[in-house]
Amino acid sequence: GAGVSQSPRYKVAKRGQDVALRCDPISGHVSLFWYQQALGQGPEFLTYFQNEAQLDKSGLPSDRFFAERPEGSVSTLKIQRTQQEDSAVYLCASTKRPIAEFYNEQFFGPGTRLTVL
Amino acid sequence: AQRVTQPEKLLSVFKGAPVELKCNYSYSGSPELFWYVQYSRQRLQLLLRHISRESIKGFTADLNKGETSFHLKKPFAQEEDSAMYYCALMTTNAGKSTFGDGTTLTVKP
Repeated sequence: GAGVSQSPRYKVAKRGQDVALRCDPISGHVSLFWYQQALGQGPEFLTYFQNEAQLDKSGLPSDRFFAERPEGSVSTLKIQRTQQEDSAVYLCASTKRPIAEFYNEQFFGPGTRLTVL
Repeated sequence: AQRVTQPEKLLSVFKGAPVELKCNYSYSGSPELFWYVQYSRQRLQLLLRHISRESIKGFTADLNKGETSFHLKKPFAQEEDSAMYYCALMTTNAGKSTFGDGTTLTVKP
């Protein structure tokens, strides 16, 4: 593909519903990141994968948030029992090489805008 | 804990004027600093990184460890520079990036 894609682009959920957000990184990219961006703020780190291994999940705000990348390509961010404070844009990014190597550029997806009513 | 501060939410200049977007950081180790840009209706993209010491679209940024700053500068702003700019810090050998809250730059004709 031409770049990182995310689906759905927009999601409206009722409070208490579970949602699943998908990220398709650039083919062959090793590292994948999830960020949460609230209105008027910068992206906030949620979690990071190198291939299928979740190396850092320190940014996940609660145990309602869960991310996986089982085959080292597509990733899903799941939010259980959504709350209004979960309303935000969720960004995914990928990099070609492992992050521990000399820094390589993060390519961002268009984001999924989640609105919890 | 690491932190990135962009003190200006909004910055407006006239075309041809110099522009400086401020970024200050706090981090106890050796940071890697970046500037990202988001043009209207486009996705976030890397503008430049301090380690490359490069100039992209006429923009430069110098890492000042004494002042813990990484300000973005351009001597002559253009209308097409109007966008949201984010400063970001990545800890060495780690995946976590910390972003500032962004500065919206408007370049008026």
